[in-house]
Amino acid sequence: AVQLVESGGGLVQPKESLKISCAASGFTFSNAAMYWVRQAPGKGLEWVARIRTKPNNYATYYADSVKGRFTISRDDSKSMVYLQMDNLKTEDTAMYYCTAALLNYWGQGVMVTVSS
Amino acid sequence: DTVMTQSPASMSTSVGERVTVNCKASQSVGTVVAWFQQKPGQSPKRLIYLATNRHTGVPDRFTGSGFGRDFTLTISNVEAEDLAVYYCLQYDSIPWTFGGGTKLELK
Repeated sequence: AVQLVESGGGLVQPKESLKISCAASGFTFSNAAMYWVRQAPGKGLEWVARIRTKPNNYATYYADSVKGRFTISRDDSKSMVYLQMDNLKTEDTAMYYCTAALLNYWGQGVMVTVSS
Repeated sequence: DTVMTQSPASMSTSVGERVTVNCKASQSVGTVVAWFQQKPGQSPKRLIYLATNRHTGVPDRFTGSGFGRDFTLTISNVEAEDLAVYYCLQYDSIPWTFGGGTKLELK
């Protein structure tokens, strides 16, 4: 069965950095584009980032709200995808979901709280 | 960016009724639209992709339709387990954008 397990969330102060991770299993990870989607408390869904596969040069794409501050990356040898979040703002507080296969598979999410 | 305007924001229904959720894109997205269901405390679940294709295992009471700018999710014969928040998503152009969500509640 497909599993996506996020980790690394927590409480950080504004302007600090945090890196969250997602461990994937149950499918051919190297063939799959990967995504991060977030959801602020009590709010709707927001697409955050996408990373394509090696044949597509690991191309990356970002929401305007995080461009220049967040970096998505992957390690196909470990079936892992990461989201490096720099210069965090209070409005980045959200549950962050790792997803795959055009958002067909979702992890349980990891909470990131940015507060002083 | 393509804005997805979803309506209504919430709706009340009864078991056995038929409900319709709408999404209007600010520009044409062809059929590159998906629908998601999110129950309280759970991760979202994809129901429909490419506007009309039901994901494996999704009950046939869920139907997606539309093309271009106007899209609809119809739930026929609503069951109690369908109470959730529903979201549309366009993935035709970067950045991908979700609608604001529709909360389906029981009367």
